Amino acid sequence: KNEVEQSPQNLTAQEGEFITINCSYSVGISALHWLQQHPGGGIVSLFMLSSGKKKHGRLIATINIQEKHSSLHITASHPRDSAVYICAGSGNNNDMRFGAGTRLTVKP
Amino acid sequence: EAQVTQNPRYLITVTGKKLTVTCSQNMNHEYMSWYRQDPGLGLRQIYYSMNVEVTDKGDVPEGYKVSRKEKRNFPLILESPSPNQTSLYFCASSLSGEGINQPQHFGDGTRLSIL
Repeated sequence: KNEVEQSPQNLTAQEGEFITINCSYSVGISALHWLQQHPGGGIVSLFMLSSGKKKHGRLIATINIQEKHSSLHITASHPRDSAVYICAGSGNNNDMRFGAGTRLTVKP
Repeated sequence: EAQVTQNPRYLITVTGKKLTVTCSQNMNHEYMSWYRQDPGLGLRQIYYSMNVEVTDKGDVPEGYKVSRKEKRNFPLILESPSPNQTSLYFCASSLSGEGINQPQHFGDGTRLSIL
């Protein structure tokens, strides 16, 4: 059983649409990371959250600790946002557990 | 420039021939980690290190060794590589050794093919 569940697996949007990717996690995870992986493979850390909400440009990440749920939102999506978005939980043992990733395609 | 550097970026080798993938970071980070990424399985943690001389197994440590003799370096060693270790490998680091509730910085990845 994966301790980090992510949805949807694939997502196609039109340029300008508001996008939401969801992540649920299990007990023992104390912080949630959102990562972006572009074609070509490099991984960039977008956010790390243990409570509340964070915003960077058009990207917003929220976390609800009681419900063990996090969301990544992209406002005014653009084709350059096309990538795989991965949520990951860091646990009390300092290990990392990853979701399966969401492949986002934003069409012009 | 702050970075995590992995070498080599690509390697094709044969079963049983020992290899080492190097990882170096210039940010004085305490925490370092190795991951592998496979289609359908996503990213999985191999080993991690909270600080110098402190290493722990992740989800998939079998067939791998690591060492952390210096803060900046965290090499991944495959003593006797096998085809099931063909994968894309990432090294990452983060600031704190007291818990990895810190953003991670990733290397560019090493694509390993074991024939």
